[in-house]
Amino acid sequence: DAGVIQSPRHEVTEMGQEVTLRCKPISGHNSLFWYRQTMMRGLELLIYFNNNVPIDDSGMPEDRFSAKMPNASFSTLKIQPSEPRDSAVYFCASSFWSTNEQFFGPGTRLTVL
Amino acid sequence: EDQVTQSPEALRLQEGESSSLNCSYTVSGLRGLFWYRQDPGKGPEFLFTLYSAGEEKEKERLKATLTKKESFLHITAPKPEDSATYLCAVQETSGSRLTFGEGTQLTVNP
Repeated sequence: DAGVIQSPRHEVTEMGQEVTLRCKPISGHNSLFWYRQTMMRGLELLIYFNNNVPIDDSGMPEDRFSAKMPNASFSTLKIQPSEPRDSAVYFCASSFWSTNEQFFGPGTRLTVL
Repeated sequence: EDQVTQSPEALRLQEGESSSLNCSYTVSGLRGLFWYRQDPGKGPEFLFTLYSAGEEKEKERLKATLTKKESFLHITAPKPEDSATYLCAVQETSGSRLTFGEGTQLTVNP
């Protein structure tokens, strides 16, 4: 089992640019979660999907953030335009049903200059 | 609103020196309490899920326990490879969202 796969692992961009983060969940899992981790706020849930449908996006900070899950094996988190305060580590996690234990990917470290 | 408080923020132990980490929580109805381990530069790694007061789970040198207000992660005779940040999270009965604590950074010196 390859685990949750995220790309890129590191992203450095300039303020105002569009950023797209990608995630491939564990095969057979039907729930997918996007988290953001910072020193100040810890680990925060941004949005999660069940069976490719967004269920709870109340953690998405602003309209600049959007997430999609076009199929069971792929999800994206997009930030447009990016700002320096978006700098953080973004994690994707998946689970077999949303109430079960979640398995995290290695994360994408985003730096917005 | 769910609240999770972990203590201490940081803990330094000598190899073989047993101790406990605390996770206090406030939630309207608990579906489950989760413990994760996070190594630097990596994603959290699942350790345990506890569902009801009185429940205990063990894995190698770790044992997690749960009461109605808090959970403890007991570490027996720790080794340097147990050094990591330990995170706890709660999940309400009404939803699937996990609310994480700030974590306890554990360092075990040889």
